[in-house]
Amino acid sequence: EPEVTQTPSHQVTQMGQEVILRCVPISNHLYFYWYRQILGQKVEFLVSFYNNEISEKSEIFDDQFSVERPDGSNFTLKIRSTKLEDSAMYFCASSRDEGQPQHFGDGTRLSIL
Amino acid sequence: QKEVEQNSGPLSVPEGAIASLNCTYSDRGSQSFFWYRQYSGKSPELIMSIYSNGDKEDGRFTAQLNKASQYVSLLIRDSQPSDSATYLCALSHGGSYIPTFGRGTSLIVHP
Repeated sequence: EPEVTQTPSHQVTQMGQEVILRCVPISNHLYFYWYRQILGQKVEFLVSFYNNEISEKSEIFDDQFSVERPDGSNFTLKIRSTKLEDSAMYFCASSRDEGQPQHFGDGTRLSIL
Repeated sequence: QKEVEQNSGPLSVPEGAIASLNCTYSDRGSQSFFWYRQYSGKSPELIMSIYSNGDKEDGRFTAQLNKASQYVSLLIRDSQPSDSATYLCALSHGGSYIPTFGRGTSLIVHP
């Protein structure tokens, strides 16, 4: 069964450094999402992406964050200058259409030191 | 503000019993409701979606929705130790398909 893949599984970065999290959505899916989950907390929506542009974003998704689909398969989340509070599990998800079930990747655990 | 409330648990049930997980929400405009299962350290996995009042059954799982009372529940029949996980309730408003998640209820099924 097709799945969403995320790399790396664990990223350790110094505070203030830039980090790029990578995702390969399911190939025939058109909508892509990033979520984060701080340890012990809720899954929180960050951003959705469709037709090469952001379709919706949350208050968390400030100027430090950006997303990109650099080619036909990858979908990336960049955090420009990481802060300690960015430490979390970041999940990528994709869906075939808006409102269709979202399939989640296994996540990237981001640890900011 | 869309709030989704769940008892964090843990809810402990013996193997073979019915596990009942509940969720309440504040936004009366919510239209789509989802139950996700999340094993420790893993990603959420969609197990049920429900859109109209009443019950929806899928195998051992039954989702129940009552929009007037603003609650949605998940029943797991014949609970198995492999059902031990955190169950996340999520909902979306008609204007957006992005789900808002609750904090989840931890379920422990003991042999």
